[in-house]
Amino acid sequence: DVKVTQSSRYLVKRTGEKVFLECVQDMDHENMFWYRQDPGLGLRLIYFSYDVKMKEKGDIPEGYSVSREKKERFSLILESASTNQTSMYLCASSLTNAEAFFGQGTRLTVV
Amino acid sequence: DQQVKQNSPSLSVQEGRISILNCDYTNSMFDYFLWYKKYPAEGPTFLISISSIKDKNEDGRFTVFLNKSAKHLSLHIVPSQPGDSAVYFCAASARGSGTYKYIFGTGTRLKVLA
Repeated sequence: DVKVTQSSRYLVKRTGEKVFLECVQDMDHENMFWYRQDPGLGLRLIYFSYDVKMKEKGDIPEGYSVSREKKERFSLILESASTNQTSMYLCASSLTNAEAFFGQGTRLTVV
Repeated sequence: DQQVKQNSPSLSVQEGRISILNCDYTNSMFDYFLWYKKYPAEGPTFLISISSIKDKNEDGRFTVFLNKSAKHLSLHIVPSQPGDSAVYFCAASARGSGTYKYIFGTGTRLKVLA
């Protein structure tokens, strides 16, 4: 079974803090993704990576950065958290030409 | 600009009947389509997919239909069960153009009434 693990289920951070969301997959997938889910907006792609040290911007990259130093790990960084970044964050991974598998999500609240 | 659209935010269906969830897309480069199911506080789980070379794919109670000329796909669930109550997302990717990112719709909340 593919496993995508996100480091936290729930996080509460203060405005202006630097926030790290970690994601690890155990199936040697090339592709990894970070999405956020908001009511009425569906899942929106923040960043994705198709190889180690490679990254591409998704539809809403502003205020975020990512890091992929190892194939199994993809980190999302909020440089200076703001209240409009309160959301459910979802990490996913996939082989090329196959469906994506998602982690359980991290509910981030920025106060 | 929303490239993948799910115009019905919610749908209620009686147990045992058919549920039909719809999805429209605008990008003609999309060639692979997927449906996901999501329960609250969990990540989405993959249900079924279809390549643009097909117009139908079945897996048990789930069937996906693709109409390329209309840029429309639908998910049929027959028979619907209370455990199917969840939010359903369609997604698309443009593999032929060498990109493997998935673009998702806004979701449809399905409620199956017992």
